[in-house]
Amino acid sequence: SQTIHQWPATLVQPVGSPLSLECTVEGTSNPNLYWYRQAAGRGLQLLFYSVGIGQISSEVPQNLSASRPQDRQFILSSKKLLLSDSGFYLCAWSVPRRQEDEKLFFGSGTQLSVL
Amino acid sequence: GNSVTQMEGPVTLSEEAFLTINCTYTATGYPSLFWYVQYPGEGLQLLLKATKADDKGSNKGFEATYRKETTSFHLEKGSVQVSDSAVYFCALSPSGYSTLTFGKGTMLLVSP
Repeated sequence: SQTIHQWPATLVQPVGSPLSLECTVEGTSNPNLYWYRQAAGRGLQLLFYSVGIGQISSEVPQNLSASRPQDRQFILSSKKLLLSDSGFYLCAWSVPRRQEDEKLFFGSGTQLSVL
Repeated sequence: GNSVTQMEGPVTLSEEAFLTINCTYTATGYPSLFWYVQYPGEGLQLLLKATKADDKGSNKGFEATYRKETTSFHLEKGSVQVSDSAVYFCALSPSGYSTLTFGKGTMLLVSP
């Protein structure tokens, strides 16, 4: 069966520090991968998605970047965190077939607090 | 652009009460509509979905009907349980893509 791992579960970082959140998927090949963020009082916002190794699409301009160094690994990074980067970050994957495209499987999330 | 508006919470109910969480959307074309649920300490899970007008999605006693004329996808359950306490997210997706647009989420609290 497929599983998705996301860590850490919680993170407190000072402003200006770097960030690296990691997400890995097991039990499937060539998944579509996604990073979402839920900021306080706002809905879930798609940040990045990837359809293959090294292929990253950014949905909104921001202080963050994403990388996919391996087929089932998706990393969210920042060189210098801002206060506005605080929020709940969710990694997700989906099967890259049209009829299955619309079902996302989510990780358990990372609560990031930038102080 | 696409957007989803859902009622603000928290919604507080007693066990066995009737639940409605309103969701309306704005989208071009004919999106698919979803309800996701996030139980405490867990990740988001797909609860139900509908892919075309008048479709009814259902799961675990929850139902939602895709109403194109009112651009709505309200979530309902006839008798809630304490275990239904969670955050519920309404979402839409343009046909054939997984880039979902989510609402802000509605927290449901069910007391015994």
